[in-house]
Amino acid sequence: EAQVTQNPRYLITVTGKKLTVTCSQNMNHEYMSWYRQDPGLGLRQIYYSMNVEVTDKGDVPEGYKVSRKEKRNFPLILESPSPNQTSLYFCASSSQRTGGTGELFFGEGSRLTVL
Amino acid sequence: QKEVEQDPGPLSVPEGAIVSLNCTYSNSAFQYFMWYRQYSRKGPELLMYTYSSGNKEDGRFTAQVDKSSKYISLFIRDSQPSDSATYLCAMHMFSGGYNKLIFGAGTRLAVHP
Repeated sequence: EAQVTQNPRYLITVTGKKLTVTCSQNMNHEYMSWYRQDPGLGLRQIYYSMNVEVTDKGDVPEGYKVSRKEKRNFPLILESPSPNQTSLYFCASSSQRTGGTGELFFGEGSRLTVL
Repeated sequence: QKEVEQDPGPLSVPEGAIVSLNCTYSNSAFQYFMWYRQYSRKGPELLMYTYSSGNKEDGRFTAQVDKSSKYISLFIRDSQPSDSATYLCAMHMFSGGYNKLIFGAGTRLAVHP
């Protein structure tokens, strides 16, 4: 089954404690991206990657890091989480290198709470 | 001003009603227009995808794009309780290597039996 898998689905952590949200896709997609979803603000792009070892900032990259060492994996790293990073996070992938002109496949989301 | 404006709702309609969901945008460079549906506790999934102005139909769903007015709509005919979800419009442009995809904030729809 074609899917984007995120882990963990739910996480409560404290300010400053480094965490990683993993994302893996089994569709051999080149393009992967991270979004955060906040009430009234919709989905905002954090980082995206057009291919292995190629990553770029989205609209809200501050406080986040990513890496793309393998085609299927695109982890999101919060080196020192702060309460304003409390949000619902989605990983997405697409077969189109531009990402937006093709269908974006989303994971089921990771709800993060930073105390 | 946000680049994409979408009424958050909630919109509550009886089963069988025709639903109209709308988005406006400010950047005339957007070329591709999409509607995503997001059920509670799930990720968004692509519902409709259009490129040009005009209408595109898929079953009970019709996507309409009016580039001159910078306005897009999604119509749902004979709405069902299973249509209850949040609907996100999305717009994309790709020009000279610059790639931008913007989502609306989403409209929450409830269809009651």
